[in-house]
Amino acid sequence: DSGVTQTPKHLITATGQRVTLRCSPRSGDLSVYWYQQSLDQGLQFLIQYYNGEERAKGNILERFSAQQFPDLHSELNLSSLELGDSALYFCASSGDRTNEKLFFGSGTQLSVL
Amino acid sequence: SQKIEQNSEALNIQEGKTATLTCNYTNYSPAYLQWYRQDPGRGPVFLLLIRENEKEKRKERLKVTFDTTLKQSLFHITASQPADSATYLCATGGYQKVTFGTGTKLQVIP
Repeated sequence: DSGVTQTPKHLITATGQRVTLRCSPRSGDLSVYWYQQSLDQGLQFLIQYYNGEERAKGNILERFSAQQFPDLHSELNLSSLELGDSALYFCASSGDRTNEKLFFGSGTQLSVL
Repeated sequence: SQKIEQNSEALNIQEGKTATLTCNYTNYSPAYLQWYRQDPGRGPVFLLLIRENEKEKRKERLKVTFDTTLKQSLFHITASQPADSATYLCATGGYQKVTFGTGTKLQVIP
């Protein structure tokens, strides 16, 4: 058990809908990362937060947004969903801003039908 | 931006042999490289980290090397076991975003 909790584990929705994925980092970790993994793309970095502030941004679509709350949990919001958004979404956390040793959650499997 | 390249072809080896996986990076030398293991449908699990000024790092049956001249890291599993079968991911580190390679799938045959 990595100590990172992601909910829900599975999400099935329709095109055009909006969903929210939630992540609770390991106790004490200040950095939260979001990654998207699809079969042909590998792990794609979306966004990183450090202690509530956005720290780094990857190839995150404008339809996607995220935030980290004062209690350090994070949410990833995906809107106007398309079939191609179907993927496994991982959250990870680490203890500091050096990005060493990421601890990953078990992921949320999103299926857009 | 930094790009991490791993051999996308699966690596099949016999139990007991040493598996060697390769990770190449482009552009600047990262402050360190990290290796993770990922099982199907699960999140990656951190294995080892090697810094730019380190040549080699070991942990039990695992060994990682970092060659800044070749822009390459090698990941070795000695005395491999069927339980080592998984996908192994290489990733950069430092103050920039963490970029992962696509991983190499290792299959250890009994």
